[in-house]
Amino acid sequence: NAGVTQTPKFRILKIGQSMTLQCTQDMNHNYMYWYRQDPGMGLKLIYYSVGAGITDKGEVPNGYNVSRSTTEDFPLRLELAAPSQTSVYFCASSKTGSNQPQHFGDGTRLSIL
Amino acid sequence: EDQVTQSPEALRLQEGESSSLNCSYTVSGLRGLFWYRQDPGKGPEFLFTLYSAGEEKEKERLKATLTKKESFLHITAPKPEDSATYLCAVPPSPPTWGSQGNLIFGKGTKLSVKP
Repeated sequence: NAGVTQTPKFRILKIGQSMTLQCTQDMNHNYMYWYRQDPGMGLKLIYYSVGAGITDKGEVPNGYNVSRSTTEDFPLRLELAAPSQTSVYFCASSKTGSNQPQHFGDGTRLSIL
Repeated sequence: EDQVTQSPEALRLQEGESSSLNCSYTVSGLRGLFWYRQDPGKGPEFLFTLYSAGEEKEKERLKATLTKKESFLHITAPKPEDSATYLCAVPPSPPTWGSQGNLIFGKGTKLSVKP
C-alpha cells in the first residue's frame, strides 16, 4: 500500500536553477497539499488543491507553483531557486476537507547552494 | 490569530516513566484536533483525531484527550521505540486561507525514551 509517494528524496540545486518535486497518491483522495518544514518551525502550507484543476495558495506560496491535472498527481515547481528555499518538503493528501486526517509522504530534502 | 503551541519542546524519559505532552490552541470553532508522530527522516504519521471536549482516543501506550483549549498526549510506561517528535495540528478558523482543508501545526515535542 504505497499511500503518498514523493520523488526525489534528496536534491541539491544551485541558486537560480529550477526543478519539480513530484507527488503522487493512490488513495483516491480529493485534497492534496504541499508543506515545507524548517528546523524548529512547524509545517507551513505552500499550496493546496481540492480536486483536479483546482489549486490555491497557502501561507508561503512565493517562489513556487503547482498544477493538478489528475487526482493522483500534485507536482510542486520551484523557479529560480534561492537559498531561502532550502527545506524539507512534504506532500500530503486527505479524502475531504479539514475534519479528515492528512496522510504524508516521506519528504524531499532540498538544499540550494 | 490562530495558533498551536506545544510543550515541552523536548522531553527525556526513562523507559517506563509515564508523562504527558501538551498542545494548546487558539482557533474559533474547533473542527478537530490531530496528533501525528514523526520519526527522523520520515513524514508525519497520523495517530488520532479528536473532535469534541471530553473525547479520548487510545493506541497502545498512547492516550489523547481534549478540552476546550488544549489537548494532552499521555504516554504510559514508554519504550525506546516511542522516541519521536509528536506533532499537534488543528484546522484554522474560517474563512482563513486554506480553511477548506489546511492544518495549522505546532512545532512539536521531541520525545526521547532511554532504556
